[in-house]
Amino acid sequence: AQRVTQPEKLLSVFKGAPVELKCNYSYSGSPELFWYVQYSRQRLQLLLRHISRESIKGFTADLNKGETSFHLKKPFAQEEDSAMYYCALRPQTNAGGTSYGKLTFGQGTILTVHP
Amino acid sequence: GAGVSQSPRYKVAKRGQDVALRCDPISGHVSLFWYQQALGQGPEFLTYFQNEAQLDKSGLPSDRFFAERPEGSVSTLKIQRTQKEDSAVYLCASSRWTVMNTEAFFGQGTRLTVV
Repeated sequence: AQRVTQPEKLLSVFKGAPVELKCNYSYSGSPELFWYVQYSRQRLQLLLRHISRESIKGFTADLNKGETSFHLKKPFAQEEDSAMYYCALRPQTNAGGTSYGKLTFGQGTILTVHP
Repeated sequence: GAGVSQSPRYKVAKRGQDVALRCDPISGHVSLFWYQQALGQGPEFLTYFQNEAQLDKSGLPSDRFFAERPEGSVSTLKIQRTQKEDSAVYLCASSRWTVMNTEAFFGQGTRLTVV
C-alpha cells in the first residue's frame, strides 16, 4: 500500500520569501511523484512531476528516495502562488496489471502568500 | 470539449435519496477515474475505467455506490440511499492512455451535500 503525508495543513509566507511545502511518502516499489495545485474556484491541475525534472512557475521538487520525500520549493514566493497544493504518488511499474495510473494524494497544504 | 466536464456542479440530496453524477471526459481519453474528496482531505480513489471496462472498483465505500461507462466515454457515478457521510466533492479525471507517463486531467467536481 502507498501513503502520502503532507505535515503542514497551512503555510503562510510573505511575498518574496522562500517557500517549501513538505511531502513524504511510503511505497515499497518505484513511485512517480507529482505536485497538483488548485487555485481558488479552479480545478485541480498538474503543477509538476518528478520525472520531468522541470521548473514550473518557479517551483521545483526533487525526489529523495533515501528520505522518501518530494518537497516543493520556490525561492521567491508570489501572491499568485496562494492556493491548495497536493502531493500525489502513483506506482511507476505495472505490477500485476493494477498500476494503471491510480493516484494517492496527501491531505494538502494551503499556501497563503501575503503582500 | 475543452476539458473534463462534470454535472451537476452542486447537488443537495435528502438522506435516502438516490443521486447520479455525470462525467464527460476529454474526447478520446481511454482512462477515467472517480475520486471522492471529503472536506479538508485529499482526493481518494473510488474506481477506474479503461474504455468501458471497470478494471478497479476497490475504492467504492459500499455497495450503494455504482459506476458505469457503457460506451467508453461518458461515465455516471450513482449513489443509492445517500447518507450524510456521502457528503463530499466527487472528482472525475481522464487521461489519454493507460501507460505511466500520461497526465490525468481533472474536472471541476460535483459537490454533494446530503441533508
